[in-house]
Amino acid sequence: QVQLVESGGGVVQPGRSLRLSCAASGFTFSSYGIHWVRQAPGKGLEWVAVIWYDGSNKYYADSVKGRFTISRDKSKNTLYLQMNSLRVEDTAVYYCAREGLALAGTGTALDYWGQGTLVTVSS
Amino acid sequence: SYELTQPPSVSVSPGQTARITCSGDALPKKYAYWYQQKSGQAPVLVIYEDNKRPSGIPERFSGSSSGTMATLTISGAHVQDEADYYCYSTDNSGRVFGGGTKLTVL
Repeated sequence: QVQLVESGGGVVQPGRSLRLSCAASGFTFSSYGIHWVRQAPGKGLEWVAVIWYDGSNKYYADSVKGRFTISRDKSKNTLYLQMNSLRVEDTAVYYCAREGLALAGTGTALDYWGQGTLVTVSS
Repeated sequence: SYELTQPPSVSVSPGQTARITCSGDALPKKYAYWYQQKSGQAPVLVIYEDNKRPSGIPERFSGSSSGTMATLTISGAHVQDEADYYCYSTDNSGRVFGGGTKLTVL
């Protein structure tokens, strides 16, 4: 079965860095685009970034552009989010989510999600 | 930047029809998707490509889209449908979520 498991969250001071991981299993990792989505405490969902199935394209929300970098390692079936220059407002649960395939299943919806990892930015 | 606008809250009694709207300038050209999120859980897809229902989602959930507005309809809402609902769509290369709507069923 499809599984996405995030890790790497924790408490970090403003201005510092953190790297999140998302371990994928149960599907052909190299065939799917993968997203990061975050949710601040008590707030709504915010899309963060996407990386295409082959890593050739990456797109970011304006709020993280220039500070966060999304990447993937197909040999490890793992997605990453390198977060630099962290701010208090980056405090959130970070989810990774798989984007489905066009013309298949549920199309390009985010069809599978992990359970999230909490990042707290605080001094 | 592109935005999707949802009402903050909708309230219905059990058995009534709940309608949650999502407005966005690109919706005439882009699909809308709908997610249900219950407290402490990851989001679950309930509608994709404007009006299609994934397997396992009850038939009382339906979607529609006309012009710049997409609508999620829950016909005969159950108490267990109480949750936050988010619309989602694409913005050129990026993606965007609506602000979310808290559905109360009581």
